[in-house]
Amino acid sequence: AQKVTQAQTEISVVEKEDVTLDCVYETRDTTYYLFWYKQPPSGELVFLIRRNSFDEQNEISGRYSWNFQKSTSSFNFTITASQVVDSAVYFCALRPIIQGAQKLVFGQGTRLTINP
Amino acid sequence: DTGVSQDPRHKITKRGQNVTFRCDPISEHNRLYWYRQTLGQGPEFLTYFQNEAQLEKSRLLSDRFSAERPKGSFSTLEIQRTEQGDSAMYLCASSSPGRGEYEQYFGPGTRLTVT
Repeated sequence: AQKVTQAQTEISVVEKEDVTLDCVYETRDTTYYLFWYKQPPSGELVFLIRRNSFDEQNEISGRYSWNFQKSTSSFNFTITASQVVDSAVYFCALRPIIQGAQKLVFGQGTRLTINP
Repeated sequence: DTGVSQDPRHKITKRGQNVTFRCDPISEHNRLYWYRQTLGQGPEFLTYFQNEAQLEKSRLLSDRFSAERPKGSFSTLEIQRTEQGDSAMYLCASSSPGRGEYEQYFGPGTRLTVT
């Protein structure tokens, strides 16, 4: 069975601060994908990133960066110089790389509020 | 590409009524997924289709729920004899194995309220 835990229910910071969203996962599968999605107030989940379990290289995309550490089963997400438009609920998700396995297992989400 | 679309966006129904939701995936995406999201929680998987074949169903999908994708394009999710516990956001997603390594792209959801 797989499980994703996002221990931070809500985070509130002032604009331009850096903020890190934590994600810890559990799985017995040796290979898997990890994802981050953003859910703005409009409700539509927006895909941000996918990582393979066999690629632990950190990734940076503009103000966003992701730190994947297999040793601690964590896949944390950092927003640098946060902006009000970053306010949303962020979800971490897991999917094993197994023939026929398609479902995403999501964490509970972290509600991020960026105050001006 | 136009995105995943869902209809209706909102549905209010009385307990015991049947409701049906529609999802149109991104064109040429052969996989289609249904998830349910309750307030303050992450989405939970319900079922998925590859073309017209329903390949996996969650235990969450009780006998009152049925999903179809008759021609491998749009899909419908029907809930019979709705209960207040069915109130949730129903999300549809689609993906294509030929692109994006199976990333699932979500629609705006249908918010169901059962009174």
